[in-house]
Amino acid sequence: GAVVSQHPSRVICKSGTSVKIECRSLDFQATTMFWYRQFPKKSLMLMATSNEGSKATYEQGVEKDKFLINHASLTLSTLTVTSAHPEDSSFYICSARVTRPAETQYFGPGTRLLVL
Amino acid sequence: GQNIDQPTEMTATEGAIVQINCTYQTSGFNGLFWYQQHAGEAPTFLSYNVLDGLEEKGRFSSFLSRSKGYSYLLLKELQMKDSASYLCAGMDSNYQLIWGAGTKLIIKP
Repeated sequence: GAVVSQHPSRVICKSGTSVKIECRSLDFQATTMFWYRQFPKKSLMLMATSNEGSKATYEQGVEKDKFLINHASLTLSTLTVTSAHPEDSSFYICSARVTRPAETQYFGPGTRLLVL
Repeated sequence: GQNIDQPTEMTATEGAIVQINCTYQTSGFNGLFWYQQHAGEAPTFLSYNVLDGLEEKGRFSSFLSRSKGYSYLLLKELQMKDSASYLCAGMDSNYQLIWGAGTKLIIKP
């Protein structure tokens, strides 16, 4: 299946700093990527849909100025958590939409963010 | 509204068979997905059903009934490594995945 990488896998930062997470499709081009957040023992929560060459579409309740998304190429989307606070600590997962041979999403390995 | 329901937790014995059920309500329908997620890891794709019926893939099979808004994931010859959460997700008319809360499967020797 398609491979999606995510970097970094784990990051610890101080409150007030910004953190950038990269999501790459390694062997295919992804017009659409998704960013999810997952709290312990909870399901995935869609944060935003990232479309190459256009602005991301954010879900209700997700602050677009807080979580900056850039999808500058067909293989890379980035999520920047700006002025991170402890409540932003979470597991962030990206996925890339694949439409051939069938519609599905392939997930990156996730980034565990801890804000002190 | 959109909703995915699946049991919170199930327990089964190594070598046995287990069926994890899922009912869904989505705005439009573009398929039903099952993902496996081990603790601390991202989900991995297991199966995709868009037409009614059973799709078999090795020890795992997935079934869909669109008229009933129902799917199940069948795991045969259970192994200890199958202990994980299994996530059911329906794809709506916008091609977004609507996620269930996941079923934690505990395998006992």
